[in-house]
Amino acid sequence: LAKTTQPISMDSYEGQEVNITCSHNNIATNDYITWYQQFPSQGPRFIIQGYKTKVTNEVASLFIPADRKSSTLSLPRVSLSDTAVYYCLVGYQKVTFGTGTKLQVIP
Amino acid sequence: EAQVTQNPRYLITVTGKKLTVTCSQNMNHEYMSWYRQDPGLGLRQIYYSMNVEVTDKGDVPEGYKVSRKEKRNFPLILESPSPNQTSLYFCASSFRVWGGVNTGELFFGEGSRLTVL
Repeated sequence: LAKTTQPISMDSYEGQEVNITCSHNNIATNDYITWYQQFPSQGPRFIIQGYKTKVTNEVASLFIPADRKSSTLSLPRVSLSDTAVYYCLVGYQKVTFGTGTKLQVIP
Repeated sequence: EAQVTQNPRYLITVTGKKLTVTCSQNMNHEYMSWYRQDPGLGLRQIYYSMNVEVTDKGDVPEGYKVSRKEKRNFPLILESPSPNQTSLYFCASSFRVWGGVNTGELFFGEGSRLTVL
């Protein structure tokens, strides 16, 4: 099962692009990579998912290199409401959450 | 409204008193799973179920039981709770079709905060 690590925290100013990387060296062939956002006292909320290469939706982009041992969540032009903890999740049935990155957006 | 409902949301109990945390989803999802969240340890999977009568262990199954008799329900059972099971618990559900669009987008409940004295 993949072990996943993330930076503990990051600070960013409003309007900047933020990139959060997750390391998952032991990812298996059938594993997907998914990113979630969590606010205090709430359940995680889906942001984006990918298997390989690049995926983009209306709120984020996900970059996955060819070896799939890492992934990078990109949040364009963050706002104060993006202050939250961000988790990567690796797996398909049995899954492992990353250690979480606390993003603080500064005015 | 599509949702995952957990009950109770808050519970204080004593060591050894059996309890059940219920989880119900109305999205006809095949996959359901339980997680615990602890400071410094993050979210860890306890059990998951791919469909009715199909369950399997996650990373931290010790001290817990689950059952999946109906598609919509996936209760978490603590037969003899201990203080180290004090935690915030989340239930989640999703479709699980490998290769499909947004395979496995998990929908989480609001959480159940359990304290075992």
